[in-house]
Amino acid sequence: QVQLVESGGGVVQPGRSLRLSCAASGFSFSSYGMHWVRQAPGKGLEWVAGISYDGTNKHYADSVKGRFTISRDNSKNTLYLQMNSLRDDDTAVYYCARSPITGGNYIDYWGQGTLVTVSS
Amino acid sequence: DIVMTQSPDSLAVSLGERATINCKSSQSVLYSSNNKNYLTWYQQKPGQPPKLILYWASTRESGVPDRFSGSGSGTDFTLTITTLQAEDVAIYYCQQYFSSPYTFGQGTRLEIK
Repeated sequence: QVQLVESGGGVVQPGRSLRLSCAASGFSFSSYGMHWVRQAPGKGLEWVAGISYDGTNKHYADSVKGRFTISRDNSKNTLYLQMNSLRDDDTAVYYCARSPITGGNYIDYWGQGTLVTVSS
Repeated sequence: DIVMTQSPDSLAVSLGERATINCKSSQSVLYSSNNKNYLTWYQQKPGQPPKLILYWASTRESGVPDRFSGSGSGTDFTLTITTLQAEDVAIYYCQQYFSSPYTFGQGTRLEIK
């Protein structure tokens, strides 16, 4: 079955960097668009970034543009989110998520999430 | 960016009754070339990731009970849960995937009255 397992979260100081990973299994990873979505504690969902199946198209939320980079390694079935210049308001659970192969950039599967805490 | 606004923010409904949640987009999410509304609904229970309920505004995801239905077009959409069950207690989010950034509504908390 489809599995998305995030890792790399933790506590980091403001201004520092962190890289999240998402290991995908149970489907043909290289055929699917992927996303990162975050949720601050007690808050709603915020779409962060998306990447096409082959990595050629990338999109970002305005709040992370220029600081975060989404990428993928289809040979390793892994999605990444490089987060630089982290701020307090980047504190959130970060979910890795998949778009369906049939079209449309909605999300049909979600990982369990990894918590990133930005604090001095 | 397209702004998604849900109403109400919270809702209490008796078991067996109907729950209705609204979602309004700041611009149309209807793509004229295929006549599809790029609007989805998710359900999130405490401590869990969101779960897809409906896509293309009204297409039910596999395995989702038929008491969940979606309607609307253009800028105004509705999620309806008929015959509310205890397991439907959750926060519900709409999201547009018409254009990036793919914005979410603020969420509607559904409780049992």
